[in-house]
Amino acid sequence: DTAVSQTPKYLVTQMGNDKSIKCEQNLGHDTMYWYKQDSKKFLKIMFSYNNKELIINETVPNRFSPKSPDKAHLNLHINSLELGDSAVYFCASRPAGGHGYTFGSGTRLTVV
Amino acid sequence: LAKTTQPISMDSYEGQEVNITCSHNNIATNDYITWYQQFPSQGPRFIIQGYKTKVTNEVASLFIPADRKSSTLSLPRVSLSDTAVYYCLVGDLRVKTIFGAGTRLFVKA
Repeated sequence: DTAVSQTPKYLVTQMGNDKSIKCEQNLGHDTMYWYKQDSKKFLKIMFSYNNKELIINETVPNRFSPKSPDKAHLNLHINSLELGDSAVYFCASRPAGGHGYTFGSGTRLTVV
Repeated sequence: LAKTTQPISMDSYEGQEVNITCSHNNIATNDYITWYQQFPSQGPRFIIQGYKTKVTNEVASLFIPADRKSSTLSLPRVSLSDTAVYYCLVGDLRVKTIFGAGTRLFVKA
């Protein structure tokens, strides 16, 4: 059973398109996150959701919008995709009061 | 979040013990030290976490001196499959998490 699952694993799309990446966790964790890993391999936090409320919103373009229908899901919607959005996007979750994260396997987004 | 400094890369041979040291001079009283491992095309995986002294689990050991300004991740008898990037994180990870560049460990046969 995959603890944190993301779909799709690969996504190739053209500039200007709108796309979504889905994330689901079956760990019962309270907080979920989206991270972006660029070509230099730096992992940067984008968003986190705690009990369906956005609690961290890093300085990412407003073209990116997280959507959490329930505690187990945190989807990432991206409007008007740009070349610079090409990266690997990781979903993660963390239990209440815990310090350890569980990451998904990532979604490699390529904008052409 | 305390800034961390770790070596960019390390090489080792199978069967050797590998020690990766992380400096975190500005660590705060409430900060924990956490290490993650990342293989290519995968998300980071939690390895070990500690606050002070020594922590050991089935994968690694974490040594933290009394002043907590540094920490050392120790991997006993590495194998080829331990080739990965290792990240040292310091802070209250419930609030914010910033991953540095990590240490690329390359294990040779």
